[in-house]
Amino acid sequence: DAEITQSPRHKITETGRQVTLACHQTWNHNNMFWYRQDLGHGLRLIHYSYGVQDTNKGEVSDGYSVSRSNTEDLPLTLESAASSQTSVYFCASASQGIGNEQFFGPGTRLTVL
Amino acid sequence: DQQVKQNSPSLSVQEGRISILNCDYTNSMFDYFLWYKKYPAEGPTFLISISSIKDKNEDGRFTVFLNKSAKHLSLHIVPSQPGDSAVYFCAATGRFNAGGTSYGKLTFGQGTILTVHP
Repeated sequence: DAEITQSPRHKITETGRQVTLACHQTWNHNNMFWYRQDLGHGLRLIHYSYGVQDTNKGEVSDGYSVSRSNTEDLPLTLESAASSQTSVYFCASASQGIGNEQFFGPGTRLTVL
Repeated sequence: DQQVKQNSPSLSVQEGRISILNCDYTNSMFDYFLWYKKYPAEGPTFLISISSIKDKNEDGRFTVFLNKSAKHLSLHIVPSQPGDSAVYFCAATGRFNAGGTSYGKLTFGQGTILTVHP
């Protein structure tokens, strides 16, 4: 069965360290998204990609970067982790087309000390 | 600037009764709306959607109503079951410019925690 996975599921790191969260999907979807979930804010879009070599900034992109070298993966990198980046991170993928259902991964809980 | 708002952080209902979750939006360019359901320690899962050309969409116990003039949508769950207890997010999307660069992007509300008591 096709799926979308995230790793690690939990991560504790220190301020200033570089952290990379992995996202891998086997749906063969062109569109991939990264969100963060915080209390009172719902899900906010960090970065997204419409295909290989395409990346775009979302509404809360500062301090984050992504790269898309193949269809299956969209890793999210925190260049220099800050306590404000403590959150739950979700990756999602979707086929092209407006309103097409986004399939979400299980999430990564990141704590920055 | 919260373009999609769910003003009720939580809702508690009795099993068998109706649950009504509300969502308001401000961007008139949104033309497709979705509801997602999220259990603890899991990712959100798609529940139901509605296009702006409709005012109602039904799927089993779930019905979504759209009032475009009021920029308001609601999710009705009838009858509510304990397994429906979860966080519900509404989301909106639309074609914002000729290039369609917002294609597939979703803007989410803050979420409403639904608790259904046996």
